Amino acid sequence: SYVLTQPPSVSVAPGKTARITCGGNNIGGKSVHWYQQKPGQAPVLVIYYDGDRPSGIPERFSGSNSGNTATLTISRVEAGDEADYFCQVWDSSSAAYVFGAGTKVTVL
Amino acid sequence: EMQLVESGGGLVQPGGSLRLSCAASGFTFSTYSMNWVRQAPGKGLEWVSYISGSSRTIYYADSVKGRFTISRDNAKNSLYLQMNSLRAEDTAVYCCARETNDGGHFDYWGQGTLVTVSS
Repeated sequence: SYVLTQPPSVSVAPGKTARITCGGNNIGGKSVHWYQQKPGQAPVLVIYYDGDRPSGIPERFSGSNSGNTATLTISRVEAGDEADYFCQVWDSSSAAYVFGAGTKVTVL
Repeated sequence: EMQLVESGGGLVQPGGSLRLSCAASGFTFSTYSMNWVRQAPGKGLEWVSYISGSSRTIYYADSVKGRFTISRDNAKNSLYLQMNSLRAEDTAVYCCARETNDGGHFDYWGQGTLVTVSS
């Protein structure tokens, strides 16, 4: 089955840029979606189709996808961005949705 | 306002059964595919099952195949998950999630219902 690999944690100072990677075999050939989850809350879609933003999501959130790595970038990080972030794809070979294990973003 | 509200969770012994429900409101339920996603305590998200709007297409994660059954009643705007032969590793918060019409990702999630499998 398809595996998505994320770093367990990323730390970033306020105002700086956080980059969260999601690795997978030829992930560039798939559409990658990203979710933000704060403690005790349901996940929120922040990026879909690699780099599109749902309405209401700040422009500080962006995404890219190429080769074996997709990246979620959070610019000008704020304290409110502290959360877990999960990448997700559809694996057609196994007819299954796959999530990465998640990355905890800590704002220093 | 769009809402997804899960119910039916609880404590069940290993080998037991439970039926989860998800009540949808605020959108035309029958036109959307729906999913169940679970999250074990302190762990990440795990997709469980998918059902198309017409119920014609259904998928399951390998970890639940043969034990769980997804279904829906569009007349009642409800999604269900019948869980049989439950194991300790099925302990998790189970959320229903709406799939976008262009497919592949989830735009609305419920808050979830906790299922605990323990003797």
